[in-house]
Amino acid sequence: GNSVTQMEGPVTLSEEAFLTINCTYTATGYPSLFWYVQYPGEGLQLLLKATKADDKGSNKGFEATYRKETTSFHLEKGSVQVSDSAVYFCALSEDPGGYNKLIFGAGTRLAVHP
Amino acid sequence: DGGITQSPKYLFRKEGQNVTLSCEQNLNHDAMYWYRQDPGQGLRLIYYSQIVNDFQKGDIAEGYSVSREKKESFPLTVTSAQKNPTAFYLCASSIEGRVNEKLFFGSGTQLSVL
Repeated sequence: GNSVTQMEGPVTLSEEAFLTINCTYTATGYPSLFWYVQYPGEGLQLLLKATKADDKGSNKGFEATYRKETTSFHLEKGSVQVSDSAVYFCALSEDPGGYNKLIFGAGTRLAVHP
Repeated sequence: DGGITQSPKYLFRKEGQNVTLSCEQNLNHDAMYWYRQDPGQGLRLIYYSQIVNDFQKGDIAEGYSVSREKKESFPLTVTSAQKNPTAFYLCASSIEGRVNEKLFFGSGTQLSVL
């Protein structure tokens, strides 16, 4: 079945460092890809998404490009802030019967220190 | 402000006891979902509902039950048949439940077994 694999965390960075969180997927068909973020004590929020190959999703300085040839959707940010500390989830959507089902990766915890 | 409200934030279950987690939304969304989050694992779908009085099992429905009597409410009951209920439970909603729709999440309920 479809699946999502993320790099294990935690990822610890200094403020203003470059961030990459790797995400690869296995899927039949052409799923949409998402990054959700979970801040401490909160539910998940959609960060960005891409619906077809070569699309780039972007939001709040984060970017991810849908790479069909490498089945990847890596999350990047050029300069992280302490406020970016959170757990990041990569996900893909599948349509098993006409409803919206998301398959989530295990999540990657990011800790940014001053 | 529109959003999803989950209650309680923390819940404790005794052996053999059923407990109910509340989820209310005022976003006027048709679709609602329950996910379970375990440490180091991605979110897994328990149940979903695309319309009032209709719901379907997700990947891990055993030991859980739901109802959808009102559009704004989707309570989850963790029954005594669920042998490993300790987890963080997240409720979500989306506009119609179509593939690729953004999910809106509540802040979650942490369930622990006494």
